[in-house]
Amino acid sequence: AQRVTQPEKLLSVFKGAPVELKCNYSYSGSPELFWYVQYSRQRLQLLLRHISRESIKGFTADLNKGETSFHLKKPFAQEEDSAMYYCALSGGGYQKVTFGTGTKLQVIP
Amino acid sequence: GAGVSQTPSNKVTEKGKYVELRCDPISGHTALYWYRQSLGQGPEFLIYFQGTGAADDSGLPNDRFFAVRPEGSVSTLKIQRTERGDSAVYLCASSFRLGGVETEAFFGQGTRLTVV
Repeated sequence: AQRVTQPEKLLSVFKGAPVELKCNYSYSGSPELFWYVQYSRQRLQLLLRHISRESIKGFTADLNKGETSFHLKKPFAQEEDSAMYYCALSGGGYQKVTFGTGTKLQVIP
Repeated sequence: GAGVSQTPSNKVTEKGKYVELRCDPISGHTALYWYRQSLGQGPEFLIYFQGTGAADDSGLPNDRFFAVRPEGSVSTLKIQRTERGDSAVYLCASSFRLGGVETEAFFGQGTRLTVV
């Protein structure tokens, strides 16, 4: 069975501090990993996917197959980063995506 | 509009009633997905359409749930004999998927279903 674990329900950091949102996964095979973000009163939207290897809004995530992790990082948090973040995986593409329970990031001014 | 549109945005129904939730995908998107998000949880996959056919309906929780997409565009999620446990936000997403090409999946704003 495929599973995504986000151990923190809430992460509070001060503006300018580094951010790391943790994500571990379980999947038999080669999964595709994603991070989604939902800002207050907005739709769920894709932040990044591991195959694109891009940095979006200063966020990066590296797939570590040995530790089955896909942690999201940003060196300097900004107030506008406050949102709900979901780690997710699929067997390939956007079909049948499994989401974690989400971590609420709160950036304190 | 340019985005995925879901109607209604809110629906309150009595236990045992039948409800229909509608999703208008982005024009030209061939793939359509339904998810359910219960309070405090992440979205949970229900069903995926490629064109008019359900390519994967393994996430539908039981036979009270059914979804259609008769013309390959608009989709309707139908729930019979609603139960209080069906209360959740139902999300729809769409993407263009053809052969090996797939664009990002875009989500709608969701329909909040409350069964009383």
